[in-house]
Amino acid sequence: EAGVAQSPRYKIIEKRQSVAFWCNPISGHATLYWYQQILGQGPKLLIQFQNNGVVDDSQLPKDRFSAERLKGVDSTLKIQPAKLEDSAVYLCASSGGLFTDTQYFGPGTRLTVL
Amino acid sequence: QKEVEQNSGPLSVPEGAIASLNCTYSDRGSQSFFWYRQYSGKSPELIMSIYSNGDKEDGRFTAQLNKASQYVSLLIRDSQPSDSATYLCAVEGITGGGNKLTFGTGTQLKVEL
Repeated sequence: EAGVAQSPRYKIIEKRQSVAFWCNPISGHATLYWYQQILGQGPKLLIQFQNNGVVDDSQLPKDRFSAERLKGVDSTLKIQPAKLEDSAVYLCASSGGLFTDTQYFGPGTRLTVL
Repeated sequence: QKEVEQNSGPLSVPEGAIASLNCTYSDRGSQSFFWYRQYSGKSPELIMSIYSNGDKEDGRFTAQLNKASQYVSLLIRDSQPSDSATYLCAVEGITGGGNKLTFGTGTQLKVEL
């Protein structure tokens, strides 16, 4: 079974530029999560989707971050404009359903904002 | 007050020893608890989950939960150099539409030869 796929793996941008990350969850997984992990910290949930609907985006900085999952499968997370403090690893995870506990993580995208 | 607290470490143990990792949480309503292992530069990998008070064993790993004390621990017996990683404690809380994991900052474990 293929795992969670993410691209790109690495991205370096200047502050105030925009960037987008892509995630394809495990086939059949209805729930998709985006996390931000700053160096030395645990992952912080940014947004959770159930199929193509948002379940929780309470910690998403909506003035600069946006995410969509239009067809209930893959998802895109965008940052516009980026700030220095956005430098982090962006992790995508998926699980089989809303109350299915095991979340499987993708390899992550390491973002450096200069 | 942090929702999930862990000592950042590093925790150093000799090969073959028992490593003990601890975690406290603030939400008394939490029902599900997880330990993830994260190697440097890699993504988190689930190693244990626990839902009831007491111990749960899986190979060399034992998770312990005490809901009254809001305390979760992970014991690694016969520690190996390959166990050197950061161990993340995660606690599940129920939001309006589903489960949400809150992670601690992680404890770095170093197993020395």
